[in-house]
Amino acid sequence: DTGVSQDPRHKITKRGQNVTFRCDPISEHNRLYWYRQTLGQGPEFLTYFQNEAQLEKSRLLSDRFSAERPKGSFSTLEIQRTEQGDSAMYLCASSYGQGEGSNGYTFGSGTRLTVV
Amino acid sequence: AQSVTQPDIHITVSEGASLELRCNYSYGATPYLFWYVQSPGQGLQLLLKYFSGDTLVQGIKGFEAEFKRSQSSFNLRKPSVHWSDAAEYFCAVGRDSGYALNFGKGTSLLVTP
Repeated sequence: DTGVSQDPRHKITKRGQNVTFRCDPISEHNRLYWYRQTLGQGPEFLTYFQNEAQLEKSRLLSDRFSAERPKGSFSTLEIQRTEQGDSAMYLCASSYGQGEGSNGYTFGSGTRLTVV
Repeated sequence: AQSVTQPDIHITVSEGASLELRCNYSYGATPYLFWYVQSPGQGLQLLLKYFSGDTLVQGIKGFEAEFKRSQSSFNLRKPSVHWSDAAEYFCAVGRDSGYALNFGKGTSLLVTP
């Protein structure tokens, strides 16, 4: 168990460019989540997957954002035509099961995006 | 929809003193409640969780939390704070342990010598 890995750790991009982040969850975890955290705030839910199916998307996830988990393992989050307001820490988490058997969420260290 | 309020933005305690961080939630059914800690530049680490059963939950690093349905609260406590406990603490609520969490805005803990 190597934990949840996110790549890159930091990304600086010019406004209008596209960026893609990757998340590798804990291998046996069937659920994967993306959150966004801005300075001084708690994480805000963006979307989550159960295996390869995207089951829920937040209203925060505008049409410039797209997330995939093609084989139920790693996931990517793409932001098209980035805006300065997209600058944030993007956190990925994974979990297994549900109910009292769940081991809770394990978060990665995040990808910090700065749009200049 | 479920929501979480952490009334204290910043708290300062002396090393060795006791700590209580407040969390109030809003949710119609029995909530799933969590406390996470985040050190600067790091992801979130789960301290403890409550799903059902005993309302006093023990977590890692000597933390505990008590679920009080009548007060809609899930306060985090530690009897003796260490300097390494300085961090940001987040309370979160979910409608199911396997679904999205709603986080509070966090409480920043400063520990003084």
